[in-house]
Amino acid sequence: QVHLVQSGAEVKKPGASVKVSCKASGYTFITYGINWVRQAPGQGLEWLGSISAYNGYTNYAQKFQGRVTMTTDTSTSTAYMELRSLTSDDTAVYYCARQILGTTGFDYWGQGTLVTVSS
Amino acid sequence: QSVLTQPPSVSGAPGQRVTISCTGSSSNIGAGYDVHWYQQLPGIAPKLLIFGNSNRPSGVPDRFSGSKSGTSGSLAITGLQAEDEADYYCQSYDSSLSAYVVFGGGTKLTVL
Repeated sequence: QVHLVQSGAEVKKPGASVKVSCKASGYTFITYGINWVRQAPGQGLEWLGSISAYNGYTNYAQKFQGRVTMTTDTSTSTAYMELRSLTSDDTAVYYCARQILGTTGFDYWGQGTLVTVSS
Repeated sequence: QSVLTQPPSVSGAPGQRVTISCTGSSSNIGAGYDVHWYQQLPGIAPKLLIFGNSNRPSGVPDRFSGSKSGTSGSLAITGLQAEDEADYYCQSYDSSLSAYVVFGGGTKLTVL
């Protein structure tokens, strides 16, 4: 069965960077895109961007342009999301999610990675 | 403010039917893009409930159904059960420059 397993919780200082990983199993990695979504404490879902695992093509939300980089390693079926210049507003649970073929929804989600930004 | 508008909360008694609306605009739902729905229990990742406006993934009970009309989508839950108490989010695609994937603000369903 399909699994997306994310890296563990992180604590970062303001101005630092964080890199979260998302290891996929149970399907052919390059067939599906991976999206990254975050959820601040007590808040709703916010989309950061997506990456094609086939060719590495990325789409980033304008809000995060210049501050986020998404990559994949097809040899290990792992997707990565790096967010730079962190502030306390970036404190959130970050999720990776697999995009359904032919549409824009997400059928499988990682368990989430809590990123805490605090001085 | 979220690009897609949902009511903050809805409630219903066990066995009843509730609906959750998701209102967008001409750059997302009204442009013909699909609406998807997720259920999120506290502390757990969202779970796909409905994709492509009205399709249920395998394993999702047929008590859950989705529809779309004009610039809005809707999620209906019949035969309400205590385990349905959760947050529900709609999601679509937007052709504006700010974001391609947009979510509603979420709706808290309380089972009375």
